[in-house]
Amino acid sequence: DGGITQSPKYLFRKEGQNVTLSCEQNLNHDAMYWYRQDPGQGLRLIYYSQIVNDFQKGDIAEGYSVSREKKESFPLTVTSAQKNPTAFYLCASTYLAGDRGSTNYGYTFGSGTRLTVV
Amino acid sequence: GEDVEQSLFLSVREGDSSVINCTYTDSSSTYLYWYKQEPGAGLQLLTYIFSNMDMKQDQRLTVLLNKKDKHLSLRIADTQTGDSAIYFCAENFQNDMRFGAGTRLTVKP
Repeated sequence: DGGITQSPKYLFRKEGQNVTLSCEQNLNHDAMYWYRQDPGQGLRLIYYSQIVNDFQKGDIAEGYSVSREKKESFPLTVTSAQKNPTAFYLCASTYLAGDRGSTNYGYTFGSGTRLTVV
Repeated sequence: GEDVEQSLFLSVREGDSSVINCTYTDSSSTYLYWYKQEPGAGLQLLTYIFSNMDMKQDQRLTVLLNKKDKHLSLRIADTQTGDSAIYFCAENFQNDMRFGAGTRLTVKP
């Protein structure tokens, strides 16, 4: 079955460590996204990528980094520069349509990674 | 305003109808969406509506769109305890999607 897989489901980070969250999709989707969700809040966009080897900052990119070396994979690294990383992280993907690459199809989301600083 | 706005909480009794409201921001949005999030899980696309439609019905779900007021609503008929979740409305915006903060629906037996 096609889908989008995030791993691990739970992750614990010590102060000063970098950690990497995995996101893999076998839907042949063009675009991939990382969101952060804090309790009682909506989704905030961290980074997105519409094509291999290219990505764009979202609203809260500071302290995070990404890569898109393969169409299927979009890992997110939470660096030690991110001062408040405890949150629920969601990865999503979608097809892009038309010349302007619109996102009319809606997103498919992974099941999320809960990151906690210990 | 610049945010997609939703009320944060809604509580209904099992068997009643639930209506979740949303105000979106961009009159040029071509699609509007409703997502459901269960505890500890990702978001699941429930339904969407194209901006040239006023209403879309899908089994127990009815979506109403008022483009003039930029108002979107989701009605769930015969609400069940399994419908308890957070519901997000979203609009497609340039190359991204803009989400509301989510409405937590609690269904009481």
